[in-house]
Amino acid sequence: AQSVSQHNHHVILSEAASLELGCNYSYGGTVNLFWYVQYPGQHLQLLLKYFSGDPLVKGIKGFEAEFIKSKFSFNLRKPSVQWSDTAEYFCAVAITGGGNKLTFGTGTQLKVEL
Amino acid sequence: EAGVAQSPRYKIIEKRQSVAFWCNPISGHATLYWYQQILGQGPKLLIQFQNNGVVDDSQLPKDRFSAERLKGVDSTLKIQPAKLEDSAVYLCASSLGNQDELFFGSGTQLSVL
Repeated sequence: AQSVSQHNHHVILSEAASLELGCNYSYGGTVNLFWYVQYPGQHLQLLLKYFSGDPLVKGIKGFEAEFIKSKFSFNLRKPSVQWSDTAEYFCAVAITGGGNKLTFGTGTQLKVEL
Repeated sequence: EAGVAQSPRYKIIEKRQSVAFWCNPISGHATLYWYQQILGQGPKLLIQFQNNGVVDDSQLPKDRFSAERLKGVDSTLKIQPAKLEDSAVYLCASSLGNQDELFFGSGTQLSVL
């Protein structure tokens, strides 16, 4: 079975700082990769996804993620964070062709300070 | 477009009691999911429906949990009897098909005392 590791559980940054959140998965076959975000008091929503093609994926609100197959990684990045990016971020993986059964990481709580 | 609706928003029960959660997916979405999110962990899939049939319930504790999706629309998840370790947020999600983006509801926060 696949698993997902998110190494940073809590991250605190100042506005305009750069962000990189780590995500590694374990599975030997082809996977689809996702980042979800949960803003305070809101529901989980999709930030970006990778199915195939260009390993650098751009999502909403200036976020991007890079799939490095050799490292089983799908790290999330943003060049300059804003206070409104304060949220919990979840990495998730699904086996390609496996019908959308997402396995989530434990999440990273990001706090952006003014 | 209306999102995924869940109720109740919060529920507090004592152990050994029963509880039920309700989910109304986005109109037209054939696939419905129930996830359990324990504090400090990521969501874990409990059961997946395609229309009114079960696709995957391998992680559903079937001795106490049950779920149904009558007429392929609304769904209910029931726990009977509840245990302390069932305290969690129960999330419902839906997607157009089983390869499409998931849309999540706000969840039901269950506390078992």
